[in-house]
Amino acid sequence: ETGVTQSPTHLIKTRGQQVTLRCSSQSGHNTVSWYQQALGQGPQFIFQYYREEENGRGNFPPRFSGLQFPNYSSELNVNALELDDSALYLCASSTDRREQYFGPGTRLTVT
Amino acid sequence: AQTVTQSQPEMSVQEAETVTLSCTYDTSENNYYLFWYKQPPSRQMILVIRQEAYKQQNATENRFSVNFQKAAKSFSLKISDSQLGDTAMYFCAFMGAPTGANSKLTFGKGITLSVRP
Repeated sequence: ETGVTQSPTHLIKTRGQQVTLRCSSQSGHNTVSWYQQALGQGPQFIFQYYREEENGRGNFPPRFSGLQFPNYSSELNVNALELDDSALYLCASSTDRREQYFGPGTRLTVT
Repeated sequence: AQTVTQSQPEMSVQEAETVTLSCTYDTSENNYYLFWYKQPPSRQMILVIRQEAYKQQNATENRFSVNFQKAAKSFSLKISDSQLGDTAMYFCAFMGAPTGANSKLTFGKGITLSVRP
């Protein structure tokens, strides 16, 4: 059984640029959730996709957007990057919105 | 809105000893799930144990067990026979019932556990 994978591992962007992060869900899972984890903090919920539809959103501005594909993989897009967007971005997959299994994360640095 | 509180920022334990990590939460829901996740320096978030609120029996997974006190809204993790590989940040997390609204995880701030040889 393949676990949750994320790409890229690390990313360095300049303020104002746009970035796309990718997540492949675990086999058999139909729900993907995205979290932002600042250094030394707990993850904060960005949004969730269930069967290709957005199924809830945390307190993040519209420049954070996402997508889920028919194979249940997902993308997180962030426009107009700000310095405070520097964080570890975690993707988690689950079946029917139940317990979540995480990928290794993407470390984004905005300079 | 749900909140999860982990008031101990750091703990240290001798190898082979037992340690308990504390967590409290606040919710108005009756049906929900609680989790402990482990995040080692490699940063991969690993599910350690889960507890359904409707189950009175405390969950156990090998050396890991929980003390779930629903009325007190307390959910502590006990690690027995601590091993060096248990060194990590531990997060307590809450999830509402996965029906209707999103099943997001609400995390505490985490506790850094160090196991001394």
